[in-house]
Amino acid sequence: DAGITQSPRHKVTETGTPVTLRCHQTENHRYMYWYRQDPGHGLRLIHYSYGVKDTDKGEVSDGYSVSRSKTEDFLLTLESATSSQTSVYFCANSPGTASNYGYTFGSGTRLTVV
Amino acid sequence: GQNIDQPTEMTATEGAIVQINCTYQTSGFNGLFWYQQHAGEAPTFLSYNVLDGLEEKGRFSSFLSRSKGYSYLLLKELQMKDSASYLCVTITGGGNKLTFGTGTQLKVEL
Repeated sequence: DAGITQSPRHKVTETGTPVTLRCHQTENHRYMYWYRQDPGHGLRLIHYSYGVKDTDKGEVSDGYSVSRSKTEDFLLTLESATSSQTSVYFCANSPGTASNYGYTFGSGTRLTVV
Repeated sequence: GQNIDQPTEMTATEGAIVQINCTYQTSGFNGLFWYQQHAGEAPTFLSYNVLDGLEEKGRFSSFLSRSKGYSYLLLKELQMKDSASYLCVTITGGGNKLTFGTGTQLKVEL
């Protein structure tokens, strides 16, 4: 089984609709992250979690919210999707602070807002 | 703020050696990752440097100079499957803040 799975893998939605992306881990790691990747930009952090119900904002958090009710699941919600949120979204996890094991990324969700 | 510079594209020949450079300006530096990302796939971890010097892992090596704000990734015996984007990533803020470079797209040719 993959350590991190994201769902859905692809989604097309209309402007103004709510969207929730799911990230599920099997490794029981404390830290989980949501990034977005856009052409001409490095991956940018949206939100992260350092434990159940403990979350914090990243550098591009406007328009996004997250929830972590269980260690294994980290949800990203776009309350009212906009075309600027068309992107590839990656979830990642880590056991703790940066180390020789790096961060593990999910396979990504390609979201298109029309 | 954080700033990472790496070449946008590089081309190399199968079997050759290629060096991908990365320079960074950052405060609170705690280390550096290199990631590989094939088109349409997740980034995958290659290396981690926290002290000055060279870390070798098979065909891949990574070097760090903290005083110069400089790192490189060295790929030996290039294979076609090494065609990918290589991401330089700095670590700050106690170890959990990552800043990603925009990546170097490496094309390996016959």
